Amino acid sequence: EAGVAQSPRYKIIEKRQSVAFWCNPISGHATLYWYQQILGQGPKLLIQFQNNGVVDDSQLPKDRFSAERLKGVDSTLKIQPAKLEDSAVYLCASSLERTSYEQYFGPGTRLTVT
Amino acid sequence: GENVEQHPSTLSVQEGDSAVIKCTYSDSASNYFPWYKQELGKGPQLIIDIRSNVGEKKDQRIAVTLNKTAKHFSLHITETQPEDSAVYFCAASIISIRIWAGGTSYGKLTFGQGTILTVHP
Repeated sequence: EAGVAQSPRYKIIEKRQSVAFWCNPISGHATLYWYQQILGQGPKLLIQFQNNGVVDDSQLPKDRFSAERLKGVDSTLKIQPAKLEDSAVYLCASSLERTSYEQYFGPGTRLTVT
Repeated sequence: GENVEQHPSTLSVQEGDSAVIKCTYSDSASNYFPWYKQELGKGPQLIIDIRSNVGEKKDQRIAVTLNKTAKHFSLHITETQPEDSAVYFCAASIISIRIWAGGTSYGKLTFGQGTILTVHP
């Protein structure tokens, strides 16, 4: 069974530029999550999708971050404009709808904002 | 909201020794406590979990204990091996089961800060 796929794996941008990350969840997983993991900290949930709909985006900085999930499968997370403090690893995870507490993580995208 | 504290932040042991990592949580409604292992350049991987109706769970060399009264839970690794070296995260969640056809649970995980475990050969 293929795992959660993410791209790119690494990205370096200057502050005020925009960036987008892509995630393809495990086939059949209805629930998709984006986490931000700052160096030395645990992952922090940014947004949770259930199929196409947003379940929780309470910790998403909506003035600069946006996310969408097309047709309930792939998802993109965008930052525009980026700030220095956005430097982190962005993790995508997915789970079955009935057991959304059992989350499977992708390898992450390491973002460096200079 | 939920707050999870994890200790120690770093742990160094000799191969064959045991390692213990402890976490405390703040929300007494939390009822699901997973542990994740994160290796360099990879995403976290679930290694063991425990629900609030169980006090202890074991899987080969790893075990987790839960004290609901004190609101803390611990990860125990016995007979450590160099390949156990990684960052370990605890997490807490409230599993809410809606009783309708199909049922759905929403599991928002709140993670601890992580423990860097180093096992020396």
